[in-house]
Amino acid sequence: EVQLVESGGGLVQPGRSLKLSCAASGFTFSNYYMAWVRQAPKKGLEWVATISTSGSRTYYPDSVKGRFTISRDNAKSSLYLQMNSLKSEDTATYYCARGETGRAPFDYWGQGVMVTVSS
Amino acid sequence: DIQMTQSPASLSASLGETVTIECRASEDIYNGLAWYQQKPGKSPQLLIYNANSLHTGVPSRFSGSGSGTQYSLKINSLQSEDVASYFCQQYYDYPWTFGGGTKLELK
Repeated sequence: EVQLVESGGGLVQPGRSLKLSCAASGFTFSNYYMAWVRQAPKKGLEWVATISTSGSRTYYPDSVKGRFTISRDNAKSSLYLQMNSLKSEDTATYYCARGETGRAPFDYWGQGVMVTVSS
Repeated sequence: DIQMTQSPASLSASLGETVTIECRASEDIYNGLAWYQQKPGKSPQLLIYNANSLHTGVPSRFSGSGSGTQYSLKINSLQSEDVASYFCQQYYDYPWTFGGGTKLELK
């Protein structure tokens, strides 16, 4: 059974940093692209970052480019999101999601982790 | 960026009814479209990919269609467990973008 379990969320002040983790199991992690998708409270979904199977290619929207860094450790079947210079508009539930390729939908999602950016 | 316009924003329907949700892309996305269902307090679940392919385990009352810039999700014979929000997403080109969502309620 595919499982994605996020951790590392919490309350953080504007301008500070936070690192999210996602532990994967039930599939060969190194064979899949992985991504982060967020959802602000009572709002829609926003794609945040994608990383290739080897980690050599990463993709971001302009809203987080230069502030967020996606990475992975295939030996540990783990995905990460380093978030720097956090803003109040980054407040959201962050989901870890799996994609078969770099141009594929998200076929499995984690349960999500809440990040609140507030002073 | 490709804009995804989803309609309606909310929808009320009766059990057994057929409902349709539309999604329009700002440019041709060549069937690179997915539909997700999100129940309250839960994470999204993939329903349809490549515009019209049913994801594993998804009931056959769900179907997707469309091409170019116009796509739709149809739910036949609405069940109580279908009460949820539905989102379309294009994965044809980065940045990947989602529609604003449709909240489906029972009448």
